[in-house]
Parts: sequence; C-alpha cells; structure tokens
Amino acid sequence: AQSVTQLGSHVSVSEGALVLLRCNYSSSVPPYLFWYVQYPNQGLQLLLKYTSAATLVKGINGFEAEFKKSETSFHLTKPSAHMSDAAEYFCAVSPRAQKLVFGQGTRLTINP
Amino acid sequence: DVKVTQSSRYLVKRTGEKVFLECVQDMDHENMFWYRQDPGLGLRLIYFSYDVKMKEKGDIPEGYSVSREKKERFSLILESASTNQTSMYLCASSLAGGTNTGELFFGEGSRLTVL
Repeated sequence: AQSVTQLGSHVSVSEGALVLLRCNYSSSVPPYLFWYVQYPNQGLQLLLKYTSAATLVKGINGFEAEFKKSETSFHLTKPSAHMSDAAEYFCAVSPRAQKLVFGQGTRLTINP
Repeated sequence: DVKVTQSSRYLVKRTGEKVFLECVQDMDHENMFWYRQDPGLGLRLIYFSYDVKMKEKGDIPEGYSVSREKKERFSLILESASTNQTSMYLCASSLAGGTNTGELFFGEGSRLTVL
C-alpha cells in the first residue's frame, strides 16, 4: 500500500529564510510525486510534480523539490520565504497513475 | 483556462436534510473524485468515478452516494445530513490513459455546515 508522511503539521519561518517542508513516501512501484498548495478557503493548486524525469523538479513561485529514491523522500524547498507563501502544503504519491494518496498537510506560517 | 467548478462555496443545512454538492469540469477528463478535508486529517477520498455511470467507493463512503450521468458532472449526495459531515468538500478531476500521471485538478471547495 502507498502512504505519505509529512513531518510537522506546522512549520514557521521568518520572511527571507529557507523554507523546508518534509515528505516521505512508501510505494510498491516507482511513484509519481506531487506537491499541492492550498490558500485559505480555496481548493488545491499544483506546485510541482515528479514523473521520473529529472530528480530535481522546479515549480511555481520559486519552489523546488528533489526526489531521493534511497531516502524515499520528496522534500519541498524555497530559498527565501515570502509572506505570500503562507498556506497549507500537501504532498501526494500516485503509484503509476492510480489514485493519489495525500499526506496530512503542513501549515506554513511566515513571520515578518 | 481549465476549470473544475463546484456549485456552492458555502452551505448551511439542518440535520436530516438531503444535500447535493455539484461539480462540473470542462477539461473532458474521464476521472472525477470527491474528497473531504478536515483539520489534522488531510484529504480523504469519499467516492470516485472513471467513467459515466460508473462509481467506486473510496476510503470513507459511509453516509454518501454519488451520481455521474454525464462525463463532465459528478454529484455528491448526503441522503440525511449529520453534524459529523460538517466539512470542506473538494471535487477533482484527472485524465485517464497512458499519459496520465494521476495529477488532479481541484475545484474551489464547498464548505458545508450541518446544524
């Protein structure tokens, strides 16, 4: 069975600091991996996705994530946080295009 | 611009009422999904459909049913709403076929309060 673990339900960083949101997955087959962002009272929007091409994936709004098979991880990073990055972030795994399995989400707070 | 549209952003219903949540997508996607989202629990799959008139139970189907009479429309039905169904409901769609990665396209969500 596939599963996703997001380490830390809440992460708080200062404006301008590095953002690191952690995601580990388990999958019985090579997976597709996704990060979605949800702003308050809105649906989920795709940030980036890994589909077995380059292991370092760049997304929107300056975010990127690196697929590390040996660590079964897909952590999300951004070099310099902006106030507009405050949102909830979801990691998801899709074992070869079957149904997505989501992590429980990480709420990112940016301190001025 | 591709779009998944949920008919109601906010609803307030009374216990025992029948509730319909409508979702329409304009991307000609084969697959459609209903999730519910609750704090600390992430997204949980209620029902999904891979084709017209076809439906499959997700992880938490109890108390819900669905209808898919047309490819673009997927409705979630609460036959008799209860207070524990107060939640945010998210509709999503995706492509089928060999090029599909499983990527979901989401609507804006419907926040349901049952009193």
